[in-house]
Amino acid sequence: AQTVTQSQPEMSVQEAETVTLSCTYDTSESDYYLFWYKQPPSRQMILVIRQEAYKQQNATENRFSVNFQKAAKSFSLKISDSQLGDAAMYFCAYRSPLSSGSARQLTFGSGTQLTVLP
Amino acid sequence: DVKVTQSSRYLVKRTGEKVFLECVQDMDHENMFWYRQDPGLGLRLIYFSYDVKMKEKGDIPEGYSVSREKKERFSLILESASTNQTSMYLCATSGYGYTFGSGTRLTVV
Repeated sequence: AQTVTQSQPEMSVQEAETVTLSCTYDTSESDYYLFWYKQPPSRQMILVIRQEAYKQQNATENRFSVNFQKAAKSFSLKISDSQLGDAAMYFCAYRSPLSSGSARQLTFGSGTQLTVLP
Repeated sequence: DVKVTQSSRYLVKRTGEKVFLECVQDMDHENMFWYRQDPGLGLRLIYFSYDVKMKEKGDIPEGYSVSREKKERFSLILESASTNQTSMYLCATSGYGYTFGSGTRLTVV
């Protein structure tokens, strides 16, 4: 079974600064998908960014980018120019390829609570 | 946009009660999921369904059951609620991507 580990329960960043959230995972599969989700106090889970393991290029979405190190099984999220609205719980998640029997569900890490200081 | 609606935002139930958490989606997605969210543990999969009347156990199915009689509705059932089932419950659906409901915070007293 796959596991996802987020070793930072809490992080804080000054507004306009850059912060990196860590995520490692364990899998024996060679093809898979990785995600970062944001959960603000409204509880709504919002997809931040998605990475396909077969793609070597790191995904980016505006101020959000990832550092995907497949050999190290590491998938960190970098938030640049942090804004007050970035304050939320961030979850890293893993999904098996569609050809796998366990393909349908996401496996989540324990989350990192990000505080943005004005 | 796909919408996933959970019937209650907050719920308080007594120990031993039978509890139903309802989830409805407004798209034709086959896959639906129930997760439980606890501090320090993240989201853990309870059950999922990939078609009407089809269900599979997730990582923590004990004490729960599910029902999917129609494609758009996926119900989580606590047969006899216990205090250790106090938690946040999130429903999700997947087509190309995943869409989550806003969660039901259940307190069992």
